[in-house]
Amino acid sequence: GESVGLHLPTLSVQEGDNSIINCAYSNSASDYFIWYKQESGKGPQFIIDIRSNMDKRQGQRVTVLLNKTVKHLSLQIAATQPGDSAVYFCAENAGGTSYGKLTFGQGTILTVHP
Amino acid sequence: GAGVSQSPSNKVTEKGKDVELRCDPISGHTALYWYRQSLGQGLEFLIYFQGNSAPDKSGLPSDRFSAERTGGSVSTLTIQRTQQEDSAVYLCASSPSHGSLSEQYFGPGTRLTVT
Repeated sequence: GESVGLHLPTLSVQEGDNSIINCAYSNSASDYFIWYKQESGKGPQFIIDIRSNMDKRQGQRVTVLLNKTVKHLSLQIAATQPGDSAVYFCAENAGGTSYGKLTFGQGTILTVHP
Repeated sequence: GAGVSQSPSNKVTEKGKDVELRCDPISGHTALYWYRQSLGQGLEFLIYFQGNSAPDKSGLPSDRFSAERTGGSVSTLTIQRTQQEDSAVYLCASSPSHGSLSEQYFGPGTRLTVT
């Protein structure tokens, strides 16, 4: 079936560097995407979202880029901090009868070294 | 205010036993979701409730899994005749409405271990 997946299972960066986490999706009907951060022992926490009529959206220190041509999504974190260390998931929704259901990718472990 | 709470936080059960997992959503949230997260994996949608509408059960992996939501608030996920492959973290989320995907607030999860 169609799914959302991640290219890199782990990413290790130095404090202050910029981080880029990638996600590939295969459902061409997906029109809404979310990035989540999950810290150990906690549920996922919303970071930023983007709709398919956009190709870029910025938040505080985070930017999400969407390339619908190649079905690729990325999360950029500026000036990465040790507190950013977590597992990051992308999730997609196709709307219609799938409204309310999110399909999650496998996750990328981000480790930030001080 | 209080977030989504789940109980128990950890549950160890023997294969073949039934288990019940509880979720208390944020007060006033009409939509409630259950997900399963296996070790090292992303979240897998199980079921969601929206108000008084019939729940979307399309993600339940087998008829051993069922869920109910009483009075539009607390929800219980029941797994009958547990199997080892049921071992996972079960996460509950709630949102103000089913359209508020960006406003899904997750609980800490229940870690289920089937021995």
